Amino acid sequence: ETGVTQSPTHLIKTRGQQVTLRCSSQSGHNTVSWYQQALGQGPQFIFQYYREEENGRGNFPPRFSGLQFPNYSSELNVNALELDDSALYLCASSLVAGKGGYGYTFGSGTRLTVV
Amino acid sequence: LAKTTQPISMDSYEGQEVNITCSHNNIATNDYITWYQQFPSQGPRFIIQGYKTKVTNEVASLFIPADRKSSTLSLPRVSLSDTAVYYCLVVMNTGFQKLVFGTGTRLLVSP
Repeated sequence: ETGVTQSPTHLIKTRGQQVTLRCSSQSGHNTVSWYQQALGQGPQFIFQYYREEENGRGNFPPRFSGLQFPNYSSELNVNALELDDSALYLCASSLVAGKGGYGYTFGSGTRLTVV
Repeated sequence: LAKTTQPISMDSYEGQEVNITCSHNNIATNDYITWYQQFPSQGPRFIIQGYKTKVTNEVASLFIPADRKSSTLSLPRVSLSDTAVYYCLVVMNTGFQKLVFGTGTRLLVSP
């Protein structure tokens, strides 16, 4: 069984630019969610996709957007990058099965640095 | 969503048992208690989940009293590789779920 794969692992961007981060879900999982983790903080929920549609969103502005593809892989897009967007971006896949916090598989993340 | 409170940090030595307590006074009937572990530059990893009483798996035990307002993660005989951040989460068991992480407990295991 494959895990969650994220690319790239590291990225440096300039303020104002746009970035796309990618995630391949674990085999058999149909839901993907994205989290932002600033240094020293816990991950913060950005949004979740199920069947290619966003079905939940955290407190993040519209310049954070995403896509889920038919093969359940996903992209996170961030426009007009700000310095505060520098963080570890985590993707998690799961099955929508109503079993609490069980069954979420996280990738190792993409470290984004905005300069 | 129920807010969780856990110690910011804990220190231990190899071979000792470590207990991390989390309080979640506003837990709802449909909520599960879930613990995740995170190493530096890695994503969180599921450790254990429970609803009430005691749950045990190959890496940890989770103790939940009858009122469910707190829970204790127990790590038996820790090793250096257990040095990590441990997050206590309260997660609904139905419908749309998002994981709400606090700042976690930073466990340092020394030789």
